[in-house]
Amino acid sequence: NAGVMQNPRHLVRRRGQEARLRCSPMKGHSHVYWYRQLPEEGLKFMVYLQKENIIDESGMPKERFSAEFPKEGPSILRIQQVVRGDSAAYFCASSPLGEDGNEQFFGPGTRLTVL
Amino acid sequence: SQQGEEDPQALSIQEGENATMNCSYKTSINNLQWYRQNSGRGLVHLILIRSNEREKHSGRLRVTLDTSKKSSSLLITASRAADTASYFCATDASGGSNYKLTFGKGTLLTVNP
Repeated sequence: NAGVMQNPRHLVRRRGQEARLRCSPMKGHSHVYWYRQLPEEGLKFMVYLQKENIIDESGMPKERFSAEFPKEGPSILRIQQVVRGDSAAYFCASSPLGEDGNEQFFGPGTRLTVL
Repeated sequence: SQQGEEDPQALSIQEGENATMNCSYKTSINNLQWYRQNSGRGLVHLILIRSNEREKHSGRLRVTLDTSKKSSSLLITASRAADTASYFCATDASGGSNYKLTFGKGTLLTVNP
């Protein structure tokens, strides 16, 4: 049973370009979470999705950031017109249920560098 | 301080010694989880302890939870060089949004051979 898959593992973009980060949850998991980790910091919650639904995007910047989890295919975190401050590690996690007491299993992360 | 704050920030020990890391939080929780992160890598789930549990063991790991003090500790016994990593506690708040994990900044553990 493969774990949470994220790609690419490393992504370099110039200011103003778009970044697309992909996450495939563990088999059987229908709940996906995105977190961002700035250097020397802990992870910060961004968004929680179920298939075709955004459940909670309270941690996501209002502009330039969007996320989706389509019926088919991976979850996508999209950052438009990237700026240097977007440089961070972006982690995706999945769980079988979104309820209390469910462990979230994390992917290896995508490290975004904005030049 | 923020929810799920670990201390110490850094800990350096010799192989074979025990390592204890602490985590404090502010609000009521459902569960507290500990994760390990090797440098530049993803997070590995270590253990989950529920708010109605006081202690939990997994191999060389022992986690305690004191909800009255809003604190938890992670003990790694007989440490190995391979235990060198950052350790994070993560909490999920009780009542609503309990899927939203809140992480501290972590404890950087270095185990010297």
